[in-house]
Amino acid sequence: EPEVTQTPSHQVTQMGQEVILRCVPISNHLYFYWYRQILGQKVEFLVSFYNNEISEKSEIFDDQFSVERPDGSNFTLKIRSTKLEDSAMYFCASSDRGISYGYTFGSGTRLTVV
Amino acid sequence: AQKITQTQPGMFVQEKEAVTLDCTYDTSDQSYGLFWYKQPSSGEMIFLIYQGSYDEQNATEGRYSLNFQKARKSANLVISASQLGDSAMYFCAMREVYGGATNKLIFGTGTLLAVQP
Repeated sequence: EPEVTQTPSHQVTQMGQEVILRCVPISNHLYFYWYRQILGQKVEFLVSFYNNEISEKSEIFDDQFSVERPDGSNFTLKIRSTKLEDSAMYFCASSDRGISYGYTFGSGTRLTVV
Repeated sequence: AQKITQTQPGMFVQEKEAVTLDCTYDTSDQSYGLFWYKQPSSGEMIFLIYQGSYDEQNATEGRYSLNFQKARKSANLVISASQLGDSAMYFCAMREVYGGATNKLIFGTGTLLAVQP
C-alpha cells in the first residue's frame, strides 16, 4: 500500500536554528499538506500546496515557515528560526483529487526545540 | 466556519464490548466528507473510516461503523467488539469541498479510549 514517508522521525534542535522536515508524498497525489500537533492537543492545519504553490495557509504559518517541492517527489517544511513553542509533532499528508479517503498521513516528525 | 466537536475527552470500555465515540460538526457547505483517525501512543495517524455527505448508507469498515445523522450534524464512530489494541486517541475530522484548491482537514480535539481487560 502506498505510503507517505517522513524523515527524520525525531529531531532535536536549539532555539534559533533552522530545521527542514522532509516528506515524500504518494506519487500520484496532487495535494500536499503539513499539519502540526502540540503534545496532547489537537491536530492543526498549517499549509496546503497544490499545483506547485501554496493554496492555503493558517495563521500559524507565519514568515518563519516555508514549504517547497524542489524535485517533484520531496515536499519540505522549513522553519527558519525555531522557537520553543515550535516543539510538536509535524505531519505531512497527501491526497488525490477526490474528496474521499485518498488522504494519507505520514508517521510524523517529532520536533523538540531546546 | 467549519468546526468539529468531540465532547468526550476520555472513555473506558470493557474488552469485547461496543463503544460509541461522539462527533458533531458544523458547516455551511453541502458537500463534505467526514473522517475518523486513530492515533496510538506511537503517534502516527491511522485512517479508519470515511463518510461522504451524500452517502445514503452509513459507512462500515470491519469493526468500525459510522453513525451518520445528517440532520443532527453528527458522525459518531462505533467500534464493535473492542480489543485491547483499540486503546488510543481517536480524532474526528471534516473536509469541505469548494473549488478543489485546498481540501484541508479540520480536526476535533480527540477522545482518548481505554479498553479494559
